[in-house]
Amino acid sequence: GNSVTQMEGPVTLSEEAFLTINCTYTATGYPSLFWYVQYPGEGLQLLLKATKADDKGSNKGFEATYRKETTSFHLEKGSVQVSDSAVYFCALSRQGAQKLVFGQGTRLTINP
Amino acid sequence: DTGVSQDPRHKITKRGQNVTFRCDPISEHNRLYWYRQTLGQGPEFLTYFQNEAQLEKSRLLSDRFSAERPKGSFSTLEIQRTEQGDSAMYLCASSAGGPSPLHFGNGTRLTVT
Repeated sequence: GNSVTQMEGPVTLSEEAFLTINCTYTATGYPSLFWYVQYPGEGLQLLLKATKADDKGSNKGFEATYRKETTSFHLEKGSVQVSDSAVYFCALSRQGAQKLVFGQGTRLTINP
Repeated sequence: DTGVSQDPRHKITKRGQNVTFRCDPISEHNRLYWYRQTLGQGPEFLTYFQNEAQLEKSRLLSDRFSAERPKGSFSTLEIQRTEQGDSAMYLCASSAGGPSPLHFGNGTRLTVT
């Protein structure tokens, strides 16, 4: 079946550090891949997405590249801020399907 | 655009009672989704509607669960004879269809005692 595996958290970094949150997937066909973020007290928000192999999604300084050969979609940011503290979810949707399959989430805390 | 609204934010109920949650999607969105999220896990798909038609239901949605979207606008999720295992955050999302992203509400947290 389709599944998403994320790097286990929690992750704690200092401000301006480099961030990587690993995400790998298992899916048939060519899924679309997403990163969602959940800030404290708020609903899930789409952070970025990529719909085909080698696409790079980017938003708010975050980037992730769809790597079909390694079935990965790792999230990166060059210099994190305290305001990036949140829970990050990697997700996929199969081509033509409506539902999202989520990873378990990674809690990120950035210390000043 | 007021976003996806869910009511109530929190619900505490005793085992065996029935509960109903409401979701108001973004007004022009024709697709509406229900997900369930337990502590430390990602959201799990329950069901989705296109307009008033319920097009897919997860195996997670037991016979005690029923969802409706009678006029293609707001939706309700009812859980009958609640069990402690039903304790979770219930999330609603809506989209305009196609490749449009899902917009999530803040969820309803259910605690079954």
